Amino acid sequence: EDQVTQSPEALRLQEGESSSLNCSYTVSGLRGLFWYRQDPGKGPEFLFTLYSAGEEKEKERLKATLTKKESFLHITAPKPEDSATYLCAVQAGVSSNTGKLIFGQGTTLQVKP
Amino acid sequence: EAGVAQSPRYKIIEKRQSVAFWCNPISGHATLYWYQQILGQGPKLLIQFQNNGVVDDSQLPKDRFSAERLKGVDSTLKIQPAKLEDSAVYLCASSPGWHTRNTEAFFGQGTRLTVV
Repeated sequence: EDQVTQSPEALRLQEGESSSLNCSYTVSGLRGLFWYRQDPGKGPEFLFTLYSAGEEKEKERLKATLTKKESFLHITAPKPEDSATYLCAVQAGVSSNTGKLIFGQGTTLQVKP
Repeated sequence: EAGVAQSPRYKIIEKRQSVAFWCNPISGHATLYWYQQILGQGPKLLIQFQNNGVVDDSQLPKDRFSAERLKGVDSTLKIQPAKLEDSAVYLCASSPGWHTRNTEAFFGQGTRLTVV
C-alpha cells in the first residue's frame, strides 16, 4: 500500500536555527514527490517537485532532496514568516494510472523571533 | 494566471442537511481533485476527474457524497445527508494532466464545513 509518513509532527525553531523535515514514503514506482506549504485557513501552496533519487531543488531558504526512500526539506536560517505546515505528497507511476496524490500528515513549523 | 476558485469559503449546517461546494479549476487543466482535510491531518483524496470522467473515487463515501464535473471544467461536490464527522476543509485542486511531465496540483482556498 502506498504510504507517506512525515516527521516530526511539530518543530519549534529559533530564528536562524537551521533544521530538516523528513518525508518517508513507500510507493509502487515513484512518479513524483511534491512539497507544499500550508498557512492556517488557506489551501496548500506548491513548492517543489522531485522526480528521481539524487535530485535537489532550492527556493530561497528551502532546499528539497530526494532518495529512493525519503525526502528532506532543509530550512536554512529560517525566519518567522517560514512558520507554516509543510506537506509532502507522492504520486505513484507504476501501479497507478490515475496520478493520485497521497499526502502525509504534515509537519507544523514554528519559528520564533 | 487565475488560480483555483472555490465557494463558499465557510458553511455551517445541521446534521442530516445537505450542502454543495463549487470549484472552478485553472483554465486548461484536465485533472481536477477533491480532497477532504480534517483538522491536524493531511488532505485525503475523495475523487479525481480527468476531463469530465471519474478516474478514482475509491475513498468517496458514495452513500452520502456525490460529485460531477460538467463539460470538463467546473465541478460540484455534494453531501447529503451530512454527518458530524464530515466537518472538515474541502479542497479542490487542478493539474494539467497526470500523463504530462508537470503534474503538480494547484489548490484553491478550500471550503470549511462545520456540521452541528
